[in-house]
Amino acid sequence: DTEVTQTPKHLVMGMTNKKSLKCEQHMGHRAMYWYKQKAKKPPELMFVYSYEKLSINESVPSRFSPECPNSSLLNLHLHALQPEDSALYLCASSPGRGQGNTEAFFGQGTRLTVV
Amino acid sequence: KQEVTQIPAALSVPEGENLVLNCSFTDSAIYNLQWFRQDPGKGLTSLLLIQSSQREQTSGRLNASLDKSSGRSTLYIAASQPGDSATYLCAVQDQTGANNLFFGTGTRLTVIP
Repeated sequence: DTEVTQTPKHLVMGMTNKKSLKCEQHMGHRAMYWYKQKAKKPPELMFVYSYEKLSINESVPSRFSPECPNSSLLNLHLHALQPEDSALYLCASSPGRGQGNTEAFFGQGTRLTVV
Repeated sequence: KQEVTQIPAALSVPEGENLVLNCSFTDSAIYNLQWFRQDPGKGLTSLLLIQSSQREQTSGRLNASLDKSSGRSTLYIAASQPGDSATYLCAVQDQTGANNLFFGTGTRLTVIP
């Protein structure tokens, strides 16, 4: 099983709403990532969790709040977003350093629209 | 900071042609390089992973090579098919303790029937 599952697939939210994106993998991977991708651009890294600890935060605004409750789950909590935050949000996982093969796998993404 | 560039940005070929996509990176101290495919509005599908100690990897009609010292990788697609139409992204993982993947700018491939 090389699947990374993201829910929901689509999300429309108002600027005052609070919502969460969810990501799950059962490959035993210990590194999990959130990326943001705008149309016709490559993915931009937002956060990296390594062994359930936040290891990278790429200066993301505080209206995005990541959470890693356990080694299989990754959440992204959204609050007071702006229309320019509309994008495809991608979750990924990889085995983590020292695990030999470090191939990363991505989910199908959540298409977020902020109105 | 690692910068990854892909050339060309877009490519259109007739069905059956062999083609090469290019990826270059500025810092040769990489841990691995990975090629992905992305269909419009979808997630990324991993195609090939090349560890830093390897020179090439093959999967079906795909062959990826890596020249770490010159900071280059190529993805060769043999006998292209319309179903190969997608955006192809390369990504490098550096040798620092972080697990960051640095993505290239992508090549949008169209295979014409």
